Amino acid sequence: RKEVEQDPGPFNVPEGATVAFNCTYSNSASQSFFWYRQDCRKEPKLLMSVYSSGNEDGRFTAQLNRASQYISLLIRDSKLSDSATYLCVVNYYGNNRLAFGKGNQVVVIP
Amino acid sequence: EAGVTQFPSHSVIEKGQTVTLRCDPISGHDNLYWYRRVMGKEIKFLLHFVKESKQDESGMPNNRFLAERTGGTYSTLKVQPAELEDSGVYFCASSGHLEAFFGQGTRLTVV
Repeated sequence: RKEVEQDPGPFNVPEGATVAFNCTYSNSASQSFFWYRQDCRKEPKLLMSVYSSGNEDGRFTAQLNRASQYISLLIRDSKLSDSATYLCVVNYYGNNRLAFGKGNQVVVIP
Repeated sequence: EAGVTQFPSHSVIEKGQTVTLRCDPISGHDNLYWYRRVMGKEIKFLLHFVKESKQDESGMPNNRFLAERTGGTYSTLKVQPAELEDSGVYFCASSGHLEAFFGQGTRLTVV
């Protein structure tokens, strides 16, 4: 089983709609969780950290479910500029190594 | 403050040649990582330095890859001899305590 699993999509989303996707992780010792955004041919950039209680940053909401070992990202009122690949990243405190999912590709359609 | 910088941004080499990639992390970041993304696949971990020491090199594909971080500052990743399957984008990242910041990557093409 892969360390971090994501459905690559693509997720075709009408402009203004809401899109949500999950990411599952296999190592229960995982301690830190992040969503990164990667635009075509660019480096991944931190979108937001994911906290145990869930957190929101503008139109973006991240949730963590430790019991089921998944994190989620919800994007409200999608903009054309939200089109990108969203990478789920898990940090293992044991060796401070980041593990990446394949990414969820989001395409916002006018 | 300067981010993570990588050099070169692109490299095209012939099979069998040697290529050295360089990464300058954010100043003060002890952790430095190398990752690789092969076309169509997820980003995969190669290795992790803490200062000048290799903390984890479990992701290095084989002994044609050699990474160094002398003095705990910049790092180099050498591929010798390069093979066709080594083509991809090589990302370097650095971190202080939690989240990592990435360089723009080096796109390596082996022909």
